[in-house]
Amino acid sequence: AQSVSQHNHHVILSEAASLELGCNYSYGGTVNLFWYVQYPGQHLQLLLKYFSGDPLVKGIKGFEAEFIKSKFSFNLRKPSVQWSDTAEYFCAVTRTKYGNKLVFGAGTILRVKS
Amino acid sequence: KAGVTQTPRYLIKTRGQQVTLSCSPISGHRSVSWYQQTPGQGLQFLFEYFSETQRNKGNFPGRFSGRQFSNSRSEMNVSTLELGDSALYLCASSPGDSPYEQYFGPGTRLTVT
Repeated sequence: AQSVSQHNHHVILSEAASLELGCNYSYGGTVNLFWYVQYPGQHLQLLLKYFSGDPLVKGIKGFEAEFIKSKFSFNLRKPSVQWSDTAEYFCAVTRTKYGNKLVFGAGTILRVKS
Repeated sequence: KAGVTQTPRYLIKTRGQQVTLSCSPISGHRSVSWYQQTPGQGLQFLFEYFSETQRNKGNFPGRFSGRQFSNSRSEMNVSTLELGDSALYLCASSPGDSPYEQYFGPGTRLTVT
């Protein structure tokens, strides 16, 4: 069965600290990778996506992620977090032959202390 | 463009009843997917409709069903509601064939008492 693992359920950081959230998926083949964010009281928003090409992708609000195929990983990074980055972050995967079926990780709740 | 809209936003139902939720995708999008979000199980895929046909289905019982209309609007129906069906139901739309990103609506919060 396909699965997506996010390593940390809760992360607490001070403003200006660097962020790295881990994400691993469990199956081979061609995958499409996403990070979504859910700010308090808001709906899921796409942070960034990887379909093919350069494995280092940049998204909105200064976030980036690196796809490492050999490690089945797609880690999210941000050099300097802000209080406004407090949110829940979800890694998700689709496989082309399964259409738009997104398989989500359990999510990581990030709290940034001001 | 307007985003994905879902109605109603909140719903309270009694065990055994049925419920219908509605989703209007972004204009021009042909794919609509439904997800269930609960604290215990997280975000789980229910089904996807593309051009009025169910293209993919998750591991939910037959009480969960859906359909898509010719204007791409979609409905999902849950029959014989159980307490465990209490959740946030999210709809997501996508332009069409993958790979495409999906855009999520605000969800319908269903409470079953």
